[in-house]
Amino acid sequence: QKEVEQNSGPLSVPEGAIASLNCTYSDRVSQSFFWYRQYSGKSPELIMSIYSNGDKEDGRFTAQLNKASQYVSLLIRDSQPSDSATYLCAVFYGQNFVFGPGTRLSVLP
Amino acid sequence: DVKVTQSSRYLVKRTGEKVFLECVQDMDHENMFWYRQDPGLGLRLIYFSYDVKMKEKGDIPEGYSVSREKKERFSLILESASTNQTSMYLCATITYTGAQFYNEQFFGPGTRLTVL
Repeated sequence: QKEVEQNSGPLSVPEGAIASLNCTYSDRVSQSFFWYRQYSGKSPELIMSIYSNGDKEDGRFTAQLNKASQYVSLLIRDSQPSDSATYLCAVFYGQNFVFGPGTRLSVLP
Repeated sequence: DVKVTQSSRYLVKRTGEKVFLECVQDMDHENMFWYRQDPGLGLRLIYFSYDVKMKEKGDIPEGYSVSREKKERFSLILESASTNQTSMYLCATITYTGAQFYNEQFFGPGTRLTVL
């Protein structure tokens, strides 16, 4: 059974701080990793993808991948109240995605 | 941009009714998926399809069936709706390069189904 795990939260950070979201996965074969943001009542939207070990930066978002530890994270710098949402980690296994349960982030003004 | 549309945002049905959820994508993608999303359980795959008239069971296919008569349309069918099928249903498509890389999934807006 391929699994993706996340802390469910809620994770609360003050406005302007760095939010750190973590995800672990069970299958070493995985090659593609994704972070989705989901606002309440809306569908998930892709914000970051990462395929190689190390860091990938896009604006205020940085994804970090460590395949040896089977760990992927998302850092959000200068957090804004508009970043308050549930963040889903997803791993692509051959033909399908497996999603984590999501971490709820709350950015406090 | 990839566009995935679903026929209804909100739907209320009664126990025992046959329910059709429709999904249409405009990017000529071969792969389409149906998920349900429940609090604390995350996204769970119901069925997926790689081509017209082709379907594969996901993790929770019981109580559901699907139809893919045309490439752009993937329908989810609840043969006899039950209260435990009350959920958010999400359709998705995927860009697929034939390798494990660069496969990104795009979601429709979702249908919130309530079965009374």
